[in-house]
Parts: sequence; structure tokens; C-alpha cells
Amino acid sequence: DGGITQSPKYLFRKEGQNVTLSCEQNLNHDAMYWYRQDPGQGLRLIYYSQIVNDFQKGDIAEGYSVSREKKESFPLTVTSAQKNPTAFYLCASSSGQGNQPQHFGDGTRLSIL
Amino acid sequence: AQKITQTQPGMFVQEKEAVTLDCTYDTSDQSYGLFWYKQPSSGEMIFLIYQGSYDEQNATEGRYSLNFQKARKSANLVISASQLGDSAMYFCAMSANAGGTSYGKLTFGQGTILTVHP
Repeated sequence: DGGITQSPKYLFRKEGQNVTLSCEQNLNHDAMYWYRQDPGQGLRLIYYSQIVNDFQKGDIAEGYSVSREKKESFPLTVTSAQKNPTAFYLCASSSGQGNQPQHFGDGTRLSIL
Repeated sequence: AQKITQTQPGMFVQEKEAVTLDCTYDTSDQSYGLFWYKQPSSGEMIFLIYQGSYDEQNATEGRYSLNFQKARKSANLVISASQLGDSAMYFCAMSANAGGTSYGKLTFGQGTILTVHP
């Protein structure tokens, strides 16, 4: 079945450590997105990419980095510069057209040890 | 800049009754799209319904319909015949410049928690 796979489901980070969240899609979508969701809140855009080897900062990019070396993959690294990384992270993909819905993965819950 | 406002933090409805979840938006774009997503407690985001700014008819998808009032900049979700499985967080979202170069970016509201009582 076509879809988006995020891994791991749960992740723990130590102080000063970088961690990478995986996102893979087999929907042949051009655009991919990373969102952060804090408890009881809406989704905020971290980074997005409309094509391989290109990506743009969203509203809250500080402390995060991404890469887009393959169409199917859009990993997110939470760096030690992100002082409050505890959140639920959602990856999404779409055709890139504004009238098409984004399809989401099941998310990764990141916590600080 | 786009903004989505959902003023109802929580809503309660009796099973089999209809419920309306409010959403107002603000944008200077003439072309935009409005989406509703459902997020159960497990966390995944489920796409429910879409309305384009130039669509003359209100969108419907099964038990979901979108009450689109362009002049009021509102896009309320109506769920008919509520079921226990409808209990979840519901998000309204907007894409600007639908079909253009927005690359499908979405701006989300804060969400409304819907609880369906038996």
C-alpha cells in the first residue's frame, strides 16, 4: 500500500545530542513537509521541500536541519541547538499543488532524557 | 500571511446528532484552499474534506460537509449522525494560492476536541 512511514515511533534524546527522525514515502509525491505539534496545539511547519536537493525553512526552523537527497526520503535532524525538542513530529507529503491534501505519517514522539 | 482561527477548544455532542465545528480564516490571496483533518488520540492526521475558494458548491464527503461562507471567511465543518468513533481533535487548515506556487504549504488552526457521548 502507498503511504508515509515515520520511524521511530518513540525517541529519547540526551542533552547535547543530535537525533534524526526518518520519513519515507512511496506515493511518488514531489513535496514533503515536517511539522511539530505541542500538546493540545496545532501543527507548526518546520521545513518543507518541493523537489529533490531543495528545501525551505518553515515558521520554526531554528534548531532543526533536513536533507532531500532522494524523492522518497526527507529526514529531520533535531540538533542540540533546539532547547525544547519535546514534541510530536509529523511528516507529510503531497503533490505540491495547493488544492491537494497532504498525507501524513503516524508521527514520532520525541522526549528528553 | 494566512491565519486560521478555531474558537471552540472543546465540543460535546450526543451520538446520532449533528455537530458544527467552527473555522474562520484570514488571507489576502484570492485563490486558496480549505481543509479539515481529524486527529484521533493515536496521533495520525486523517484528511476529511476540501473546499476551494472558487468552488460554488459546498463540499460534501459522506457524513462530512463544509459550510463555506466566503464573505464571512468561514469554513465550518458539519458532521451529521455523530458516531462514537468521531471523538477526536479536528483541525482546519488553509493553503494559499491553490494551484499556484505555494507548494501545498498548510497553515493550521489550534484545533477543536470533539467528544461524542453515547
